[in-house]
Amino acid sequence: AQTVTQSQPEMSVQEAETVTLSCTYDTSESNYYLFWYKQPPSRQMILVIRQEAYKQQNATENRFSVNFQKAAKSFSLKISDSQLGDTAMYFCAFIDTGGFKTIFGAGTRLFVKA
Amino acid sequence: KAGVTQTPRYLIKTRGQQVTLSCSPISGHRSVSWYQQTPGQGLQFLFEYFSETQRNKGNFPGRFSGRQFSNSRSEMNVSTLELGDSALYLCASSRDRSMGEQYFGPGTRLTVT
Repeated sequence: AQTVTQSQPEMSVQEAETVTLSCTYDTSESNYYLFWYKQPPSRQMILVIRQEAYKQQNATENRFSVNFQKAAKSFSLKISDSQLGDTAMYFCAFIDTGGFKTIFGAGTRLFVKA
Repeated sequence: KAGVTQTPRYLIKTRGQQVTLSCSPISGHRSVSWYQQTPGQGLQFLFEYFSETQRNKGNFPGRFSGRQFSNSRSEMNVSTLELGDSALYLCASSRDRSMGEQYFGPGTRLTVT
């Protein structure tokens, strides 16, 4: 069975600093996508960044970047220059291209302190 | 372009009743997925529809069912409600047949008393 594990239930970071959220996954599939989603308090879930498994280059979206280690099945999210608006629950997610089912990790609650 | 909409936003039901939740995807999106979010279990996949066909179903009892209409709008139904069904129900739509990235609605907060 495919699983996604986020080992950090809660993290905090000072404004303007950098923080890394960890995610590991388990699958026997070779074609899949990985995502980080953000769910701010009482607000809608939004996509932060995506990574295709066949791409070796790590995805980057402005202050957000990933470290994708396919062999280790690791997919961490780095947030640079943290802002107060980054305070949210962050979910790591996996989908294989033929399964039509997204598996989410338990989430990491991130607090950005002023 | 309008986002994913879900109705109603809040719902209070009593045990034993049934409930129907609605989801309208982003225009042009043909894949709709449903998730149950609870503090204890996190985000759990319920089912996914594409072009009116259910392509996958999560590990939920048969009291949970869904359907998708020809305009891609989707409904999910929960019959014989239990206290444990209290949750935030999220709908997400996707353009790509392989699902890829999903766009989430605001959710329906269901409380069963």
